[in-house]
Amino acid sequence: DGGITQSPKYLFRKEGQNVTLSCEQNLNHDAMYWYRQDPGQGLRLIYYSQIVNDFQKGDIAEGYSVSREKKESFPLTVTSAQKNPTAFYLCASSTPRAAFSMNTEAFFGQGTRLTVV
Amino acid sequence: AQKITQTQPGMFVQEKEAVTLDCTYDTSDPSYGLFWYKQPSSGEMIFLIYQGSYDQQNATEGRYSLNFQKARKSANLVISASQLGDSAMYFCAMRDGGTSYGKLTFGQGTILTVHP
Repeated sequence: DGGITQSPKYLFRKEGQNVTLSCEQNLNHDAMYWYRQDPGQGLRLIYYSQIVNDFQKGDIAEGYSVSREKKESFPLTVTSAQKNPTAFYLCASSTPRAAFSMNTEAFFGQGTRLTVV
Repeated sequence: AQKITQTQPGMFVQEKEAVTLDCTYDTSDPSYGLFWYKQPSSGEMIFLIYQGSYDQQNATEGRYSLNFQKARKSANLVISASQLGDSAMYFCAMRDGGTSYGKLTFGQGTILTVHP
């Protein structure tokens, strides 16, 4: 079945360590996104990518890094520079915009819950 | 810069009644799309409904309808005949066609509780 797979579902990290969250999609979508969600809060955009080998910073990119070497994959690295990384991380993908159309809803993975111990 | 505002942190509704969840937005681009998502306690994000800035009619999908008032920059979600399974967090989101094309921005969300 087509969809977006995030792994792992739960992740524990020691302070000072980098950790990479996986996101893979087989929907043939060009655009991919990473969001952070804190308890009871909305989704904040970390990074997004419209095409392979290109990505843009979102609203809270500091302390995070991404790569987009393949269309199917958009891994997120939470670096030691991220001061408060404990959160729920959601990956999403969508098709590129058709001419004059914004009708490209994002499909989401199940999320990764990261806890710093 | 695009911005989405949901001013209702929490809403309560009786089962089988209708409820309106508010969403206002701000963008300088004439071309944009508005989305509503539902997030149950499991954390998954479920797409509900879409409204384009050039659409002449309000969008409807089953029990969901979008009350789109372009001049007021509001895109409120109306859920008719509420069910217990509608209890969840609801997010409004927007994508515009400007320099930040592709950027999908979410509001803070509204927690809906349906009472039996």
